Amino acid sequence: GAVVSQHPSWVICKSGTSVKIECRSLDFQATTMFWYRQFPKQSLMLMATSNEGSKATYEQGVEKDKFLINHASLTLSTLTVTSAHPEDSSFYICSARDPVSAAHTDTQYFGPGTRLTVL
Amino acid sequence: AQKVTQAQTEISVVEKEDVTLDCVYETRDTTYYLFWYKQPPSGELVFLIRRNSFDEQNEISGRYSWNFQKSTSSFNFTITASQVVDSAVYFCALSGENTNAGKSTFGDGTTLTVKP
Repeated sequence: GAVVSQHPSWVICKSGTSVKIECRSLDFQATTMFWYRQFPKQSLMLMATSNEGSKATYEQGVEKDKFLINHASLTLSTLTVTSAHPEDSSFYICSARDPVSAAHTDTQYFGPGTRLTVL
Repeated sequence: AQKVTQAQTEISVVEKEDVTLDCVYETRDTTYYLFWYKQPPSGELVFLIRRNSFDEQNEISGRYSWNFQKSTSSFNFTITASQVVDSAVYFCALSGENTNAGKSTFGDGTTLTVKP
């Protein structure tokens, strides 16, 4: 099956710094990727939809200036948490939609997640 | 708006017992997709099954089975003869069509603990 990778798998940073998380589709081209956030013992919440070559679409309540998303190629989307604070500590998961198989099944593949800890 | 409800927050069973995880969904889309994922402590989501709204056939895969009932908007998941390795958080999810295409709405998850 299709594989989606994320890098790094975990990161610890100081408050006020920015952190970039990469999401790559390894064996298919993803015109659309999604970013989710999961706080401990909670569900996954969609943050934004990343569209290749255009601006990301953010869900209500998600600050677009704080969570910068860039989808510069068909295999890579990046999420940058700017001026991170302890409350941004969370598990960030991306998913990529394979447009070929998604036409009839809405197939999407999830990355392994990135655990961010802000001190 | 889409919504997924997993009413059971935590379930604890003894090994070899059967267990059913409930999932109820709400959507206005005509075409939609339902999913179940397993999330072990490592955090990585493990895909278990996908069902589209036009296929109400129940499915069995080994010890896993799924009961999709459109009339009650439910998509329940049963593990037969549970094992300790089944211990994890299980999420039911829903995605739709058009503006909801690809966007998964997740339930709050059910933490399953299987004791030896």
